[in-house]
Amino acid sequence: QVQLVQSGSELRKPGASVKVSCKASGYTFTSNAMNWVRQAPGQGLVWMGWINTNTGNPTYAQGFTGRFVFSLDTSVSTAYLQISSLKAEDTAVYYCARKGYSYGSSLDYWGQGTLVTVSS
Amino acid sequence: DIQMTQSPSTLSASVGDRVTITCRASQSISSWLAWYQQKLGKAPKLLIYKASSLESGVPSRFSGSGSGTEFTLTISSLQPDDFATYYCQQYNSYSWTFGQGTKVEIK
Repeated sequence: QVQLVQSGSELRKPGASVKVSCKASGYTFTSNAMNWVRQAPGQGLVWMGWINTNTGNPTYAQGFTGRFVFSLDTSVSTAYLQISSLKAEDTAVYYCARKGYSYGSSLDYWGQGTLVTVSS
Repeated sequence: DIQMTQSPSTLSASVGDRVTITCRASQSISSWLAWYQQKLGKAPKLLIYKASSLESGVPSRFSGSGSGTEFTLTISSLQPDDFATYYCQQYNSYSWTFGQGTKVEIK
């Protein structure tokens, strides 16, 4: 069965960096684009962008350029989100989510989420 | 960016009620709209894609309709497991966006 398993919670100080992983299993990793979604405490979902798992080409939503980097290691079916120069407002749960196979599908499988807390 | 506006923000309903949530897009998105359910502390779950296609495994009491700029999610008979927050999401444009969410509470 399809699973996306994310790395555990992280606590960082402002200005530090963090790298969140998302390990896929149960399907061919390079067949589906991987998306990233942010959810600040008590807030709604914000789409951060996606990465083409065939080419490694990332696309970032407005507001997620510069400090945010999507990457892959296809040898271990894993996608990564790295955030640098962390700010308090980056405190959120970060989800990876796969774009589905079906024609017209959207985000059909999600990781369990990784809480990143930025605090001095 | 395309803006997505959901209404209402909060909805109080009883088990067995028919519930409708509306999502409006700031410009036409054809049928490129999905609906998700999110329970507290959990990842969102895809319910509906392409405006009206039911995701595999999702109960048939959930249905979606609409095209262009106005969409609805209907729960035909609300069940205890359905109390959650619901989000619409457009994926028509280069940049995807979510609605702000609708919380369905117990009346």
